[in-house]
Amino acid sequence: EVHLAESGGGLVQPGGSLRLSCAASGFTFNSYWMHWVRQAPGKGLVWVSFVNSDGTITRYADSVKGRFTISRDNANNTLYLQMNNLRPEDTGIYYCTRAVVVTDFDSWGQGALVTVSS
Amino acid sequence: QSALTQPASVSGSPGQSITISCIGSSSDIGSYNIVSWYQQHPGRVPKLILYEVAERPSGVSNRFSGSKSGNTASLTISGLQAEDEADYYCCSSALRGTLVLFGGGTKLTVL
Repeated sequence: EVHLAESGGGLVQPGGSLRLSCAASGFTFNSYWMHWVRQAPGKGLVWVSFVNSDGTITRYADSVKGRFTISRDNANNTLYLQMNNLRPEDTGIYYCTRAVVVTDFDSWGQGALVTVSS
Repeated sequence: QSALTQPASVSGSPGQSITISCIGSSSDIGSYNIVSWYQQHPGRVPKLILYEVAERPSGVSNRFSGSKSGNTASLTISGLQAEDEADYYCCSSALRGTLVLFGGGTKLTVL
């Protein structure tokens, strides 16, 4: 069974940093593109970032470009999101999700809550 | 690049059919047959219900169907049931700029 488990969320002050992790199991991790999607409280889904199967290609939403870095460790089946210079508008639940074909997100983690507030 | 445009809310009675539209552009929905739809119940994780416009993952009811015309994709739910009450999101790949776009979401109320 496919399982994705995020960790690393929490409360951080504006300008601070956090690193999210997503532990994957139940599938061949290095065969899939992986994404981060976030959801602000009471709001809709917003795509954040993508990394291809071997980690050589990454893309970011304009709102996080230059501040967030996505990476993966295929030896340990783990996806990461390094978030720097955090802003209040980055507050939300961050989901790790697997893509079958580009945007076919067939498996989602339970999410990690990130709160940016002073 | 703007998010895809969905109606904020739709409603229907049990047994009826409803359709949710998702309006994009020639740079996203109009360029690819890579449109997916997600269902999200309150407090729950999003669930993939359609991919590649009209394909259903295993286990998803055939009451859910999808289509696309030009820059607009649509989700139709037939034989509405109380359990269908949820938020629905469309999603598309984009030709330029942002790789992935989501719609703003549509709240479905089953009357």
